[in-house]
Amino acid sequence: ELKVEQNPLFLSMQEGKNYTIYCNYSTTSDRLYWYRQDPGKSLESLFVLLSNGAVKQEGRLMASLDTKARLSTLHITAAVHDLSATYFCAVVPLSETSGSRLTFGEGTQLTVNP
Amino acid sequence: NAGVMQNPRHLVRRRGQEARLRCSPVKGHSHVYWYRQLPEEGLKFMVYLQKENIIDESGMPKERFSAEFPKEGPSILRIQQVVRGDSAAYFCASSRLSQGSWAYEQYFGPGTRLTVT
Repeated sequence: ELKVEQNPLFLSMQEGKNYTIYCNYSTTSDRLYWYRQDPGKSLESLFVLLSNGAVKQEGRLMASLDTKARLSTLHITAAVHDLSATYFCAVVPLSETSGSRLTFGEGTQLTVNP
Repeated sequence: NAGVMQNPRHLVRRRGQEARLRCSPVKGHSHVYWYRQLPEEGLKFMVYLQKENIIDESGMPKERFSAEFPKEGPSILRIQQVVRGDSAAYFCASSRLSQGSWAYEQYFGPGTRLTVT
């Protein structure tokens, strides 16, 4: 059974600081997704990472994928309050040939304090 | 372009009643997925459908839950004889046709928040 683990699960940080959220998964995969969820809202797609070594950046967020280590990171640079949300990574196993059901991590609840 | 539409957004049911949740995918998307999010938890896959076919229902509870995606109309997730433990947010996602093992990004709807009293 595919396991996806995120850490930390809770992150409180000050504006202007940098931090990294980690996402480990237990099976071979070449597709990893990062989503953002605000309280009571749906999931907003942030990044789609499709190959080993993939790195994508959008504003203060940068995501990377290391398929050999089965690890993805979401790096936050100079955090601002607007980034406060819950961040999920989600993985599709390489063996999934008939579809792309996502297995999600538990989520990292990020709070950025002024 | 309209995104994934779900209705109702909020649904309150008494124990023992039926709940019907509807999902209209992005226009042109032929794949629909349902996920459930219990309070303070991540999303768990329930079922994956294409038009008129259930492709993968490995995440569906064995009893009381069913899903369909007819040739015409929205996908429906149906929960019979609801219990308090069914209270959760139910999200639908859709994607374009996948080719072989290559699949496209899933777009999520706003969710239906089911409360069972």
